[in-house]
Amino acid sequence: AQRVTQPEKLLSVFKGAPVELKCNYSYSGSPELFWYVQYSRQRLQLLLRHISRESIKGFTADLNKGETSFHLKKPFAQEEDSAMYYCALSLTYNTDKLIFGTGTRLQVFP
Amino acid sequence: GAVVSQHPSRVICKSGTSVKIECRSLDFQATTMFWYRQFPKQSLMLMATSNEGSKATYEQGVEKDKFLINHASLTLSTLTVTSAHPEDSSFYICSARGTSGSSGYEQYFGPGTRLTVT
Repeated sequence: AQRVTQPEKLLSVFKGAPVELKCNYSYSGSPELFWYVQYSRQRLQLLLRHISRESIKGFTADLNKGETSFHLKKPFAQEEDSAMYYCALSLTYNTDKLIFGTGTRLQVFP
Repeated sequence: GAVVSQHPSRVICKSGTSVKIECRSLDFQATTMFWYRQFPKQSLMLMATSNEGSKATYEQGVEKDKFLINHASLTLSTLTVTSAHPEDSSFYICSARGTSGSSGYEQYFGPGTRLTVT
């Protein structure tokens, strides 16, 4: 079965520290992976997708098919990065239904 | 950018009554909308996929007769929770997928509806 695992419920770092939010997926085919972010009292929004291979707000994520991982990284965390981060797996190229991980809350302390 | 609205944002209803939640894509057409449920401090669980002009596709374990979905136009999908019970209390979130062009195929999420059944 398709599954997305985010092992950390909470990740706390100080401002300026590197951040890595872990995401592992289970899917036999070729997945499309996303990171969504939900800031306090705001709706869920797309942060980045693996096919774009871009950096958004300093965040990057590389798909590692061998390790079935799609970890989200940022070299220097900012206080405004504090939010809930969800890794999601889509089973088709055209963003069909999404399977979400349980989410990781990132807290960045000053 | 593409915007999705939900109405109401909060609703309290009595056990046994039905409540309708609307999901609208404001500036783009969405042939496909998705309904999720989110329990406190938990992830989003897909309930059903709503396709304009056809029947919704429900995920395993979701009662289609309890959670009625109607997607009558390219900008509106509704979720009706029938004969609501306290265990239906949750945060319901919809998303809309663009058809192409500027909105692409990305899913855009609504702000959610908090349902409390007393």
